[in-house]
Amino acid sequence: QKEVEQDPGPLSVPEGAIVSLNCTYSNSAFQYFMWYRQYSRKGPELLMYTYSSGNKEDGRFTAQVDKSSKYISLFIRDSQPSDSATYLCAMSGSGGYQKVTFGTGTKLQVIP
Amino acid sequence: DAGVIQSPRHEVTEMGQEVTLRCKPISGHNSLFWYRQTMMRGLELLIYFNNNVPIDDSGMPEDRFSAKMPNASFSTLKIQPSEPRDSAVYFCASTSGTGADTQYFGPGTRLTVL
Repeated sequence: QKEVEQDPGPLSVPEGAIVSLNCTYSNSAFQYFMWYRQYSRKGPELLMYTYSSGNKEDGRFTAQVDKSSKYISLFIRDSQPSDSATYLCAMSGSGGYQKVTFGTGTKLQVIP
Repeated sequence: DAGVIQSPRHEVTEMGQEVTLRCKPISGHNSLFWYRQTMMRGLELLIYFNNNVPIDDSGMPEDRFSAKMPNASFSTLKIQPSEPRDSAVYFCASTSGTGADTQYFGPGTRLTVL
């Protein structure tokens, strides 16, 4: 079993829809939770960053962490064609150097 | 800021050949990571350098892979001899902190081993 599981999709939605992307994990030591966005033929770029449980909002994006269920989510409101990309969840422990473990990514397509 | 620079962007080689990938991290960043990305396995950490010193090389697949960071502005990942299963996109990333801090990725090198 992988430490981080992510549905690869693809996920296709109409413009303006609310998108929900999810990851589950098995390592209870994970404390930092991140979402990276990767456009085709590009490197990943950090989108959202949260520590421990709770919600974090940034514009149209909301990240949720439920440590009791070992489940994290990224919500995209009013999705735009420019949101079409692969979204990677990532997580790590705390304290000094901790390797970041990435999910395999969910490919999202927002149709105009 | 030019961001993380990687070269070459594309590499096609034949099995058994030596391959060298290059990376220039963002100036001032003291941590550098090499990753490999495939459809099946996603993004996997190969090696992590801090202040030019290899800290975590547990992800290096086997002796065919080696990485160096001779100074703060340059790193190489070498595969010798290359095999078809090494075909993947190789990313270099840098950060001013440790792994959990924001990592800035380069554009990647797409390697195809025939």
